[in-house]
Amino acid sequence: GAVVSQHPSWVICKSGTSVKIECRSLDFQATTMFWYRQFPKQSLMLMATSNEGSKATYEQGVEKDKFLINHASLTLSTLTVTSAHPEDSSFYICSARPGPPGRTQYFGPGTRLTVL
Amino acid sequence: GENVEQHPSTLSVQEGDSAVIKCTYSDSASNYFPWYKQELGKGPQLIIDIRSNVGEKKDQRIAVTLNKTAKHFSLHITETQPEDSAVYFCAASKGGTSYGKLTFGQGTILTVHP
Repeated sequence: GAVVSQHPSWVICKSGTSVKIECRSLDFQATTMFWYRQFPKQSLMLMATSNEGSKATYEQGVEKDKFLINHASLTLSTLTVTSAHPEDSSFYICSARPGPPGRTQYFGPGTRLTVL
Repeated sequence: GENVEQHPSTLSVQEGDSAVIKCTYSDSASNYFPWYKQELGKGPQLIIDIRSNVGEKKDQRIAVTLNKTAKHFSLHITETQPEDSAVYFCAASKGGTSYGKLTFGQGTILTVHP
Protein backbone atom coordinates (compact mmCIF):
# COMPACT_ATOMS: atom_id res chain seq x y z
CA GLY A 1 0.00 0.00 0.00
CA ALA A 2 0.84 3.75 -0.02
CA VAL A 3 2.11 3.92 -3.58
CA VAL A 4 2.83 7.21 -5.29
CA SER A 5 3.53 7.41 -9.00
CA GLN A 6 5.02 10.15 -11.14
CA HIS A 7 4.83 10.70 -14.85
CA PRO A 8 6.94 11.07 -16.82
CA SER A 9 9.98 9.47 -15.21
CA TRP A 10 12.26 11.56 -17.38
CA VAL A 11 11.78 14.36 -19.88
CA ILE A 12 14.03 16.37 -22.17
CA CYS A 13 12.76 19.67 -23.50
CA LYS A 14 14.00 22.76 -25.30
CA SER A 15 14.62 26.02 -23.50
CA GLY A 16 11.50 28.17 -23.39
CA THR A 17 8.98 25.35 -23.44
CA SER A 18 6.73 24.23 -20.58
CA VAL A 19 6.73 20.81 -18.99
CA LYS A 20 4.02 19.20 -16.86
CA ILE A 21 4.76 16.52 -14.28
CA GLU A 22 1.99 14.44 -12.72
CA CYS A 23 1.96 12.96 -9.24
CA ARG A 24 -0.67 10.40 -8.29
CA SER A 25 -1.45 8.56 -5.08
CA LEU A 26 -2.57 5.16 -6.31
CA ASP A 27 -4.12 3.51 -3.28
CA PHE A 28 -4.97 6.31 -0.89
CA GLN A 29 -6.41 9.79 -0.88
CA ALA A 30 -3.86 12.51 -0.29
CA THR A 31 -5.14 15.64 1.36
CA THR A 32 -1.68 17.17 1.06
CA MET A 33 0.98 16.75 -1.58
CA PHE A 34 4.48 18.19 -1.59
CA TRP A 35 6.88 18.98 -4.41
CA TYR A 36 10.63 18.76 -3.94
CA ARG A 37 13.64 19.48 -6.05
CA GLN A 38 16.92 17.62 -5.70
CA PHE A 39 20.24 18.48 -7.27
CA PRO A 40 22.94 15.81 -7.68
CA LYS A 41 24.43 14.66 -4.39
CA GLN A 42 22.27 17.08 -2.45
CA SER A 43 19.32 16.83 -0.13
CA LEU A 44 15.68 17.38 -0.97
CA MET A 45 14.55 20.98 -1.13
CA LEU A 46 10.86 21.60 -0.55
CA MET A 47 9.37 23.78 -3.27
CA ALA A 48 5.71 23.92 -2.32
CA THR A 49 2.89 22.36 -0.36
CA SER A 50 -0.46 21.81 -2.00
CA ASN A 51 -3.79 20.95 -0.47
CA GLU A 52 -6.66 19.64 -2.54
CA GLY A 53 -8.89 22.40 -3.80
CA SER A 54 -6.76 25.29 -2.57
CA LYS A 55 -3.79 27.28 -3.77
CA ALA A 56 -0.33 25.91 -3.19
CA THR A 57 1.95 27.40 -0.58
CA TYR A 58 5.39 28.09 -1.98
CA GLU A 59 8.64 28.11 -0.04
CA GLN A 60 10.68 31.27 0.09
CA GLY A 61 12.65 31.82 -3.08
CA VAL A 62 10.48 29.57 -5.27
CA GLU A 63 8.79 31.45 -8.11
CA LYS A 64 5.12 30.59 -8.09
CA ASP A 65 4.61 31.88 -11.63
CA LYS A 66 7.35 29.63 -12.92
CA PHE A 67 6.40 26.49 -11.02
CA LEU A 68 2.64 26.13 -11.32
CA ILE A 69 1.06 23.60 -9.00
CA ASN A 70 -2.45 22.26 -9.27
CA HIS A 71 -4.01 19.82 -6.81
CA ALA A 72 -7.33 19.20 -8.50
CA SER A 73 -8.27 15.97 -6.75
CA LEU A 74 -7.37 13.90 -3.74
CA THR A 75 -5.20 11.64 -5.88
CA LEU A 76 -3.57 13.98 -8.40
CA SER A 77 -1.25 16.95 -8.25
CA THR A 78 0.60 18.48 -11.17
CA LEU A 79 3.71 20.62 -11.39
CA THR A 80 4.19 22.69 -14.53
CA VAL A 81 7.59 24.22 -15.15
CA THR A 82 6.87 27.19 -17.40
CA SER A 83 9.38 28.66 -19.86
CA ALA A 84 11.98 26.15 -18.75
CA HIS A 85 15.66 27.05 -18.84
CA PRO A 86 18.79 24.89 -18.41
CA GLU A 87 19.07 25.93 -14.76
CA ASP A 88 15.68 24.28 -14.16
CA SER A 89 17.23 20.91 -14.99
CA SER A 90 16.90 18.81 -11.88
CA PHE A 91 15.27 15.79 -10.24
CA TYR A 92 11.72 16.66 -9.20
CA ILE A 93 10.07 14.48 -6.57
CA CYS A 94 6.56 14.59 -5.18
CA SER A 95 5.24 13.15 -1.98
CA ALA A 96 1.73 12.55 -0.73
CA ARG A 97 0.32 12.50 2.76
CA PRO A 98 -2.87 10.72 3.69
CA GLY A 99 -5.35 12.68 5.73
CA PRO A 100 -4.73 13.46 9.40
CA PRO A 101 -3.86 12.32 11.94
CA GLY A 102 -1.09 10.54 10.05
CA ARG A 103 2.04 12.49 9.27
CA THR A 104 3.81 10.02 7.02
CA GLN A 105 4.79 11.22 3.57
CA TYR A 106 5.12 8.70 0.76
CA PHE A 107 7.38 9.67 -2.09
CA GLY A 108 7.09 9.16 -5.80
CA PRO A 109 9.95 7.78 -7.92
CA GLY A 110 10.94 11.21 -9.21
CA THR A 111 11.11 12.89 -12.60
CA ARG A 112 14.42 13.78 -14.23
CA LEU A 113 14.05 17.04 -16.19
CA THR A 114 16.74 18.07 -18.64
CA VAL A 115 16.37 21.42 -20.39
CA LEU A 116 18.54 21.89 -23.46
CA GLY B 1 12.58 27.75 10.82
CA GLU B 2 13.67 24.20 11.53
CA ASN B 3 17.25 23.16 10.80
CA VAL B 4 18.36 19.53 10.69
CA GLU B 5 22.03 18.57 10.76
CA GLN B 6 23.06 15.05 9.76
CA HIS B 7 26.37 13.24 10.32
CA PRO B 8 28.41 11.66 8.93
CA SER B 9 28.11 12.63 5.28
CA THR B 10 29.68 9.33 4.22
CA LEU B 11 29.93 6.04 6.06
CA SER B 12 31.74 2.93 4.93
CA VAL B 13 31.33 -0.38 6.77
CA GLN B 14 32.03 -4.04 6.23
CA GLU B 15 29.15 -6.42 5.69
CA GLY B 16 27.84 -7.60 9.04
CA ASP B 17 28.97 -4.50 10.92
CA SER B 18 26.61 -1.94 12.44
CA ALA B 19 26.05 1.54 11.06
CA VAL B 20 24.91 4.59 13.01
CA ILE B 21 23.76 7.90 11.55
CA LYS B 22 22.99 10.87 13.78
CA CYS B 23 20.80 13.94 13.34
CA THR B 24 20.14 17.01 15.42
CA TYR B 25 17.22 19.40 15.06
CA SER B 26 16.71 22.96 16.21
CA ASP B 27 12.96 23.40 16.70
CA SER B 28 11.74 21.95 19.98
CA ALA B 29 8.20 21.90 18.55
CA SER B 30 9.17 19.17 16.06
CA ASN B 31 7.52 15.92 17.02
CA TYR B 32 7.80 13.54 14.09
CA PHE B 33 11.09 12.12 12.81
CA PRO B 34 11.17 9.82 9.76
CA TRP B 35 14.15 8.21 8.09
CA TYR B 36 14.28 7.65 4.34
CA LYS B 37 16.50 5.49 2.14
CA GLN B 38 17.17 6.71 -1.38
CA GLU B 39 18.76 4.60 -4.06
CA LEU B 40 20.35 6.17 -7.12
CA GLY B 41 17.80 7.67 -9.48
CA LYS B 42 14.84 6.79 -7.27
CA GLY B 43 12.57 8.55 -4.82
CA PRO B 44 13.09 8.28 -1.06
CA GLN B 45 11.59 5.26 0.67
CA LEU B 46 10.40 5.48 4.27
CA ILE B 47 12.25 2.91 6.38
CA ILE B 48 11.28 3.87 9.91
CA ASP B 49 9.83 6.79 11.83
CA ILE B 50 9.41 7.85 15.43
CA ARG B 51 7.17 10.28 17.23
CA SER B 52 8.17 12.45 20.15
CA ASN B 53 6.23 10.44 22.72
CA VAL B 54 8.50 7.44 22.10
CA GLY B 55 12.20 7.12 22.88
CA GLU B 56 13.06 4.14 20.72
CA LYS B 57 11.55 2.10 17.92
CA LYS B 58 12.84 -1.04 16.28
CA ASP B 59 11.97 -2.89 13.08
CA GLN B 60 14.09 -5.98 12.49
CA ARG B 61 17.64 -4.74 11.74
CA ILE B 62 16.71 -1.08 11.92
CA ALA B 63 16.19 1.01 15.04
CA VAL B 64 15.75 4.69 15.75
CA THR B 65 16.36 6.45 19.06
CA LEU B 66 15.18 9.91 20.05
CA ASN B 67 16.48 12.22 22.77
CA LYS B 68 14.06 15.13 22.99
CA THR B 69 16.06 16.95 25.64
CA ALA B 70 19.18 17.01 23.51
CA LYS B 71 17.16 17.36 20.30
CA HIS B 72 18.86 14.55 18.49
CA PHE B 73 17.85 11.23 16.97
CA SER B 74 19.81 8.39 15.47
CA LEU B 75 19.39 5.54 13.00
CA HIS B 76 20.97 2.21 13.83
CA ILE B 77 21.37 -0.54 11.24
CA THR B 78 22.68 -3.87 12.49
CA GLU B 79 24.10 -6.77 10.48
CA THR B 80 24.53 -4.56 7.44
CA GLN B 81 24.22 -6.06 3.97
CA PRO B 82 25.45 -4.78 0.59
CA GLU B 83 21.85 -3.96 -0.37
CA ASP B 84 21.75 -1.48 2.52
CA SER B 85 24.11 0.71 0.46
CA ALA B 86 22.23 3.91 -0.38
CA VAL B 87 21.78 7.51 0.73
CA TYR B 88 19.94 7.89 4.02
CA PHE B 89 18.07 11.04 4.99
CA CYS B 90 16.68 12.03 8.35
CA ALA B 91 13.87 14.55 8.60
CA ALA B 92 11.82 16.41 11.17
CA SER B 93 8.37 17.94 11.18
CA LYS B 94 5.80 19.46 13.48
CA GLY B 95 2.06 19.61 13.34
CA GLY B 96 -0.24 22.56 13.20
CA THR B 97 -0.44 24.75 10.13
CA SER B 98 2.76 23.36 8.62
CA TYR B 99 0.74 20.42 7.19
CA GLY B 100 3.51 18.08 8.29
CA LYS B 101 6.17 19.78 6.17
CA LEU B 102 9.46 17.88 6.42
CA THR B 103 12.87 19.44 6.89
CA PHE B 104 15.59 17.08 5.68
CA GLY B 105 19.13 16.53 6.80
CA GLN B 106 21.96 16.67 4.28
CA GLY B 107 22.06 12.91 3.75
CA THR B 108 24.54 10.13 4.50
CA ILE B 109 26.03 7.95 1.78
CA LEU B 110 26.28 4.47 3.27
CA THR B 111 28.50 1.93 1.55
CA VAL B 112 28.51 -1.66 2.76
CA HIS B 113 31.47 -3.64 1.47
CA PRO B 114 31.00 -7.39 0.93
